[in-house]
Amino acid sequence: AQSVTQPDIHITVSEGASLELRCNYSYGATPYLFWYVQSPGQGLQLLLKYFSGDTLVQGIKGFEAEFKRSQSSFNLRKPSVHWSDAAEYFCAVGASPNFGNEKLTFGTGTRLTIIP
Amino acid sequence: NAGVTQTPKFQVLKTGQSMTLQCAQDMNHEYMSWYRQDPGMGLRLIHYSVGAGITDQGEVPNGYNVSRSTTEDFPLRLLSAAPSQTSVYFCASELQGCNQPQHFGDGTRLSIL
Repeated sequence: AQSVTQPDIHITVSEGASLELRCNYSYGATPYLFWYVQSPGQGLQLLLKYFSGDTLVQGIKGFEAEFKRSQSSFNLRKPSVHWSDAAEYFCAVGASPNFGNEKLTFGTGTRLTIIP
Repeated sequence: NAGVTQTPKFQVLKTGQSMTLQCAQDMNHEYMSWYRQDPGMGLRLIHYSVGAGITDQGEVPNGYNVSRSTTEDFPLRLLSAAPSQTSVYFCASELQGCNQPQHFGDGTRLSIL
């Protein structure tokens, strides 16, 4: 069975500082990996996804993530955070994309707080 | 273009009551899903559908029923609400194809007393 671990429940970062959110996955085949962001009271918004190819993936809002098969990781990064980045971030792993994303397994989330 | 619309946004039920959470999308997406979100547990898939007339179980289907009579609508039914079903419920839809993102609704916050 597939699983996702986000080891950091809560991270606090100063505005303008760099950010890295950790994600480790377990999956028997080629993983399809996603990062989502959830603002308070809102649904989830897709930041970026990895299916194949270049292991460094660029997403929206200046985020990027790097797939490292040897470490089973898909960490999310941003060089300089903004106050508006405060939210909860979810990593997810999916089954074969031939069947769409309806079988995503989500991590437990990392809450990001930005301080001035 | 409304995207994914969930109703109601909030609901309080008594144990044993039944209720239907509504989800509608106007994007002609084939795939639709229901998740529940609980503190410290992320999102867990309840049921999903790959098209009208086709549904299947996710990770935590017990206590919930779904149907998909049209492409647009994917209601989630609680037949006999239990306190363990207190959660925030999200509906999502997706266009068929391996490179398509999911679109999420804003959620329904459900409390079972």
